Amino acid sequence: GAGVSQSPRYKVAKRGQDVALRCDPISGHVSLFWYQQALGQGPEFLTYFQNEAQLDKSGLPSDRFFAERPEGSVSTLKIQRTQQEDSAVYLCASSFPVTLSAEQYFGPGTRLTVT
Amino acid sequence: AQKITQTQPGMFVQEKEAVTLDCTYDTSDQSYGLFWYKQPSSGEMIFLIYQGSYDEQNATEGRYSLNFQKARKSANLVISASQLGDSAMYFCAMRESNTGFQKLVFGTGTRLLVSP
Repeated sequence: GAGVSQSPRYKVAKRGQDVALRCDPISGHVSLFWYQQALGQGPEFLTYFQNEAQLDKSGLPSDRFFAERPEGSVSTLKIQRTQQEDSAVYLCASSFPVTLSAEQYFGPGTRLTVT
Repeated sequence: AQKITQTQPGMFVQEKEAVTLDCTYDTSDQSYGLFWYKQPSSGEMIFLIYQGSYDEQNATEGRYSLNFQKARKSANLVISASQLGDSAMYFCAMRESNTGFQKLVFGTGTRLLVSP
């Protein structure tokens, strides 16, 4: 079946521009996660949705970052007034149960470059 | 303090040999889970293996096994009979009960290169 998809795969933005990154999770997956992966680092948690409810946004680095999942399926991560430090790969993951052992299925990521 | 520590930035192994990738973790929770993911150059994170804190047996999945030493808070990944396709970044990650079993916390990764 189809896995997690993300679009665009690559995005170049000029500093100060707004960007929107899309995530299509696996159908039926309740949980959706966004992670930010800087070059040479491991992914870092940004935010978590259970259905349409954003239950944890503790990892969002500033109020320029905003995420939504209005119908409990597709999610959008929006970054306003992009800065060079926002350059990273943004990974989306989904899973069905919320249990200790539940595997998170990752998408291919969106590589954002802010110039 | 780092939650997940991977001290090997890079590892080299010859094809068909075994290799161990180190991971230590820090948590005060009694209930937690440990994961290993592989990230090839394509960028997608691929789940390899899971170990729960209460599991008495070390986890195994095909050529992957997890050497879980709870008292030492280590969860090393062992890859047996390495293949060229195993060349990738490997990340150790933890999920803790105090976060509602939600987010994963990752280490900085180890780059594995398998040579012919």
